[in-house]
Amino acid sequence: DTAVSQTPKYLVTQMGNDKSIKCEQNLGHDTMYWYKQDSKKFLKIMFSYNNKELIINETVPNRFSPKSPDKAHLNLHINSLELGDSAVYFCASRQTGQVNYEQYFGPGTRLTVT
Amino acid sequence: EDKVVQSPLSLVVHEGDTVTLNCSYEVTNFRSLLWYKQEKKAPTFLFMLTSSGIEKKSGRLSSILDKKELFSILNITATQTGDSAVYLCASLNFGNEKLTFGTGTRLTIIP
Repeated sequence: DTAVSQTPKYLVTQMGNDKSIKCEQNLGHDTMYWYKQDSKKFLKIMFSYNNKELIINETVPNRFSPKSPDKAHLNLHINSLELGDSAVYFCASRQTGQVNYEQYFGPGTRLTVT
Repeated sequence: EDKVVQSPLSLVVHEGDTVTLNCSYEVTNFRSLLWYKQEKKAPTFLFMLTSSGIEKKSGRLSSILDKKELFSILNITATQTGDSAVYLCASLNFGNEKLTFGTGTRLTIIP
């Protein structure tokens, strides 16, 4: 069973469109994250949710809206896509309170905006 | 703003060589330093370092943290082609427990 899964794996779309990426974890973790990794492999946090509550909200355009329907899911909706949104988006999860702070990453969603 | 810098940005060595990857940080409310390995897909966890001077080891990989000089190193001995990857370090802070990643070091091992 995949611990952290994302759909879709690849997404090619045109500028101006609205798209969503879904993330699910079956690890029973209470915290989930979205990261963006650009073409130079720079990985930057966008959002984190703990038990469906927004904890971290970095300087991200408000075209990006995360939604957590329950603690096993964290989706990312992007409005009015721009060329600069092209990147790999990773979802991750962890359980707070664990001594070994390990985040489990999903396989990534490669978004290409044309 | 929290900052994590890795060097070198890329490194090409021959199989069997030993490599040292560097990570320096300027972070408020620093708690720990983590190392990840990223091959084709998602980063995978290697080490978490919280105390200065205590080496963590896993096979041919080892890492140490210096909280006075604000850096960490990752050593890989007797490198193999399977070690080729991007190595990421990240600082973890107290409070919101945010991970701030460095720019990564792309390591290529030539057979």
